[in-house]
Amino acid sequence: AQSVTQPDIHITVSEGASLELRCNYSYGATPYLFWYVQSPGQGLQLLLKYFSGDTLVQGIKGFEAEFKRSQSSFNLRKPSVHWSDAAEYFCAVGTSGTYKYIFGTGTRLKVLA
Amino acid sequence: DAGVIQSPRHEVTEMGQEVTLRCKPISGHDYLFWYRQTMMRGLELLIYFNNNVPIDDSGMPEDRFSAKMPNASFSTLKIQPSEPRDSAVYFCASRGTTRGELFFGEGSRLTVL
Repeated sequence: AQSVTQPDIHITVSEGASLELRCNYSYGATPYLFWYVQSPGQGLQLLLKYFSGDTLVQGIKGFEAEFKRSQSSFNLRKPSVHWSDAAEYFCAVGTSGTYKYIFGTGTRLKVLA
Repeated sequence: DAGVIQSPRHEVTEMGQEVTLRCKPISGHDYLFWYRQTMMRGLELLIYFNNNVPIDDSGMPEDRFSAKMPNASFSTLKIQPSEPRDSAVYFCASRGTTRGELFFGEGSRLTVL
């Protein structure tokens, strides 16, 4: 069965510092991979997605993610974090067979001024 | 585009009462998903529809939960009778293509006293 693991529940970084949020998935074939962001009291907004092709994906708000098949990972990165990036981040995996999307448990990001 | 619209945004009710949550997907999207979000369990897929037909309801927790999609622009999630453990944020999401990303509504926060 497919699964998604986000090993970090909370991460705190200083404003201007770089950021990497980890995501590992379990699935036999090449999955569809997504990163979403959720601000308090809001729905989830798509940051970026990977279906196929170039393994380095650019998203909105200066975020990028890299698909590494050998490590079953899809880590999210940002070179310089802004205070407005404080939110919860979810990694998700989808498949072509079931069209179901499974979400990780989320990583809550805190940004220090 | 108006996005996915959910109502009500907040609902407070007493145990035993019937609760109906509503969702209007993005026009032209033929997949609709209902998720539940809690601190303990994260984001759980409850049910999803394709072209108004329920495809997978294996995530619906109990018979007290039911969902319908009478037409392409409207879906309901009903809980009858409600219990305190149903307190959560319920999200509706829609998707246009077979492998496209999910577009989420802002959620309905349910509190059952």
